[in-house]
Amino acid sequence: QSALTQPASVSGSPGQSITISCTGTNSDVGSYDLVSWYQQHPGKVPKLMIYGGTERPSGVSNRFSGSKSGNTASLTISGLQAEDEADYYCCSYVSSSNSLVFGGGTRLTVL
Amino acid sequence: QVQLVQSGAEVREPGASVEVSCKASGYSFTSYAIHWVRQAPGQGLEWVGRIVVGYGDTEYSQKFQGRVTITRDTSASTAYMVMSSLTSEDTAIYYCARNPVGTVTLDHWGQGTLVTVFS
Repeated sequence: QSALTQPASVSGSPGQSITISCTGTNSDVGSYDLVSWYQQHPGKVPKLMIYGGTERPSGVSNRFSGSKSGNTASLTISGLQAEDEADYYCCSYVSSSNSLVFGGGTRLTVL
Repeated sequence: QVQLVQSGAEVREPGASVEVSCKASGYSFTSYAIHWVRQAPGQGLEWVGRIVVGYGDTEYSQKFQGRVTITRDTSASTAYMVMSSLTSEDTAIYYCARNPVGTVTLDHWGQGTLVTVFS
């Protein structure tokens, strides 16, 4: 199972919005609304930011939102803040192997 | 509060095996699955496998099939991952994470266990 495709890096200025894409196939991202997104600061444990494609766990800022179109899921962060600078990973269920697959990760830089 | 506490760092020689444990507290251990995810130095997250704790049902990444075994001890609220035939490419931080069954939601993570393989 190949990793989902994410851009290696994105950047934005404070207050701006950015979107990170996560492209898979109709066997994973395209099959179900079962994509989750994780934020990981350097040296820290990953943190759940979005689940079920669009849902936010309690405590996660509403500046974070998720969406999906076809085989591509997206994470949008609005009103960028310095603390948002981190690595972001998408994750999807893979129906053909009853497994999970992660994206390669995207490094977000807040300029 | 939900907590997953993993065992400490391990050093192994190539060809050896390693066991990492993950002790859960603060929730009903048998009502969730536990997944294992690893992260090599400077690299991304990689799914290793999972166990549905209540049933003991396991699934593994095809990449590790035959080399990894995930088990659980419900009386101790602890999950275990054993990886065998280690090579230097298995050097990584290994995380356990809690998963509500039927979702792709890893909602709580352990602190990670560094496994270093070198001769």
